[in-house]
Amino acid sequence: DGGITQSPKYLFRKEGQNVTLSCEQNLNHDAMYWYRQDPGQGLRLIYYSQIVNDFQKGDIAEGYSVSREKKESFPLTVTSAQKNPTAFYLCASSIDPRTGSAFFGQGTRLTVV
Amino acid sequence: AQTVTQSQPEMSVQEAETVTLSCTYDTSESDYYLFWYKQPPSRQMILVIRQEAYKQQNATENRFSVNFQKAAKSFSLKISDSQLGDAAMYFCAYRPYSDRYNNNDMRFGAGTRLTVKP
Repeated sequence: DGGITQSPKYLFRKEGQNVTLSCEQNLNHDAMYWYRQDPGQGLRLIYYSQIVNDFQKGDIAEGYSVSREKKESFPLTVTSAQKNPTAFYLCASSIDPRTGSAFFGQGTRLTVV
Repeated sequence: AQTVTQSQPEMSVQEAETVTLSCTYDTSESDYYLFWYKQPPSRQMILVIRQEAYKQQNATENRFSVNFQKAAKSFSLKISDSQLGDAAMYFCAYRPYSDRYNNNDMRFGAGTRLTVKP
């Protein structure tokens, strides 16, 4: 079945460590997005990518990095520079950012221990 | 940057009744898309309804309809005949329609938590 797969579902990180969240889609979508969700703040855009090998910063890109080497994959790395990384992270994709709505993965809950 | 505002953190409705969730947005664009997404306790985001700004007719999907007021930059969601399964967080979202390469981000409001009372 086509869809977006985020892994892992739960992730624990020690302070000072980098960690990578996986996002894979087999929908042949061009655009992909990463959002962070905190209680009471809705979804905030971290990074988005319209095509392979290109990506743009969103509102809260500091402390995060991404890559888009393949159309199907858009991993997010949470670096040690991110001071408050505990949150729920959502990945989304869209076939045409000018006309299509976004399809979401099931999310990754990251906790710093 | 475009902003989306949902002024109702929480709403409640009696089963079978009607409820309206509010959303306003700020943009300088003339062409754009607006969405309502539902997030149940599973946290899976589900598209409820979509509206293109160039269309004057309000979108409808079964029990869900919108009141789109472009001049007022308002986009409210009406849920008729509310069901227990409608209980969830509801997010309003905005996406510009643009040929510019770096203007394809999608913005969300803070959400409204809807409770349905039996």
